[in-house]
Formats: sequence, structure tokens, C-alpha cells
Amino acid sequence: SQQGEEDPQALSIQEGENATMNCSYKTSINNLQWYRQNSGRGLVHLILIRSNEREKHSGRLRVTLDTSKKSSSLLITASRAADTASYFCATDAGGRGSTLGRLYFGRGTQLTVWP
Amino acid sequence: DGGITQSPKYLFRKEGQNVTLSCEQNLNHDAMYWYRQDPGQGLRLIYYSQIVNDFQKGDIAEGYSVSREKKESFPLTVTSAQKNPTAFYLCASSIQGGPYEQYFGPGTRLTVT
Repeated sequence: SQQGEEDPQALSIQEGENATMNCSYKTSINNLQWYRQNSGRGLVHLILIRSNEREKHSGRLRVTLDTSKKSSSLLITASRAADTASYFCATDAGGRGSTLGRLYFGRGTQLTVWP
Repeated sequence: DGGITQSPKYLFRKEGQNVTLSCEQNLNHDAMYWYRQDPGQGLRLIYYSQIVNDFQKGDIAEGYSVSREKKESFPLTVTSAQKNPTAFYLCASSIQGGPYEQYFGPGTRLTVT
């Protein structure tokens, strides 16, 4: 399966701590994306990192990509209670298949940030 | 106010009935997608469409049907052939080609009893 797999499945931390989530995938990709989902809501795009990039930042988010290990990590610094949500990584099909635009989502990491 | 809308938010149906979920976008996106999400699970692709009047099956298309007569609209019909239709359904859209960022609607929670 192309599907990404997030690790851990659940993460519980205190406000102010950093949260790190990992994603592994199986085949070559053009880019990897991270999404956030609050309970009962739609997904919101957080960040996209291309296969030729190694690190990307957006506010309190830092994403790394290691294509040799087929893995990515999402770091949320100085977590807040409002960061409580599920976080998903999504990969494309790679190669020509990527032009179809479809993404493959993992099962997500449920992050709980306690005040 | 650009975005993607799904209606209704909650839908209840009796077993054996077909039901159609609405998805509308005003983002001028060519590509649209339907996903199913079960508790504790990731998103599974049902159908997707890259352009009007064309669509492709995703990984779990059995028991579902779609149409794409207008760029803005991509309705999903859950037929009586779908054995376990109770789930959270998400619609998304993106720029054609890709893979690009997908914009998601708020979802429809379907309960079939």
C-alpha cells in the first residue's frame, strides 16, 4: 500500500511542551503533506514539503523529510491546548501517477495537549 | 467567501434506501474527491474527478456512485448495495494535476439503521 503510517497513534503532552509525530511511507513521492483534523470536522492543510526539500517551517510547525528513509516528522513547538487534534500525513503516488492528484492518508496521530 | 460546503451535516437513513450527499465548491477547482472515514481510521478514497464529466474509482468505490455535471458540484450517492454505509464522509477539492493541497468540506455524518 502507498499509505503513510503515522507514529505514535496517540500522544499526550502538557501545554508548552513540543510534540513530534512521525510518518513513514513505502514508495517514491513527489511531495508529502500534513493535515490537521479537529474532532468531527474536515481536514485542514498545514504544510507541504517537496521531495527535494529536507526541512520546512511554518510558524510553530517544523517538518522534515528523509527520502532515503521514506519518513517525515512534524514538530509542533510550544504546544497549546488548541493544538489538540488528529494529525495526518498524506503522500502522492509518485512519478506519472502523481498527476492524478490523489493522495494517500495514514490513520493519523491523535494529539492531546493538557492545559 | 471561497470554500467547500457539504450538506447536510448529519443524515439518517433506513437500511435499503439510497442517499445522496451534496458537495459544492466555489474555489474554481477542477479536481474533487470523496473520502470515507471510520472511527480511528484514516481517509479512504471513494471516487475522484479531475474534470467535469469524468471521474475515477478510488479504493472503495463499491456501493457508491457519483456524477460531475458541473465544475462546482460533485454529489455522492450511497446506494443500498453498500454493506456498511454508516461513516463520516468528506469531500475535498484541489487544483487539477497535482499532487496539490486539498481543501476539505466540513463533512457529513451518515447513520444508516
